[in-house]
Amino acid sequence: QVQLVESGGGLVTPGGSLRLSCAASGFTFSGSYMTWIRQAPGKGPEWLSYISSSGSTIYYADSLRGRFTISRDNAKNSLYLLMDNLRAEDTAVYYCARERWQELESWGQGTLVTVSS
Amino acid sequence: DIVMTQTPLSSPVTLGQPASISCKSSQSLVHSDGITYLSWFQQRPGQPPRLLIYKISNRFSGVPDRFSGSGAGTDFTLKISRVEAEDVGVYYCMQSTQFPWTFGQGTKVEIK
Repeated sequence: QVQLVESGGGLVTPGGSLRLSCAASGFTFSGSYMTWIRQAPGKGPEWLSYISSSGSTIYYADSLRGRFTISRDNAKNSLYLLMDNLRAEDTAVYYCARERWQELESWGQGTLVTVSS
Repeated sequence: DIVMTQTPLSSPVTLGQPASISCKSSQSLVHSDGITYLSWFQQRPGQPPRLLIYKISNRFSGVPDRFSGSGAGTDFTLKISRVEAEDVGVYYCMQSTQFPWTFGQGTKVEIK
């Protein structure tokens, strides 16, 4: 079955960087569009970014202001999110999700990112 | 950005009784392809969101038929015909008609 496993979260100081990974299995990753979503403590989900199957089409939430970069490696069945210049308000659980026909069908369990000095 | 507004924010329900959640969007969710991309998610404590309903009224695989969705344009509703204990959690609507995709603020369903 579809499995998505995020990793790379942890504690980082303000201004620091992190790269999150999402390992995919159980479906044809190279043919799937993927997204990143985050959820701050006690808040609702926030859509962050979308990448097409080939990586040629990418969208970001305006709130990220160029600090985050989505990418993928279809040979490794992996999705990535590079996060730079992190702020306290970026503290959240970060989820990757598989998108099919503009629906977020499958989600990973998430990885926690904490930005604090 | 399209703003999604859910009501109520909290819904205490007696087991076996119905529950209803409203979701209103700040603009029409009808895409240029004629499809309305409005979905509903359930999030149980400590779990990621789970897709329940897509394109207004289609139940996702494995979702019990006590869950139903309806609506059009800017007004949408999720109904649970008879609430069971496992339905406790927070429910979110989401629009994927226009980037950035946006979620409602969530409705907490709890047992009275």
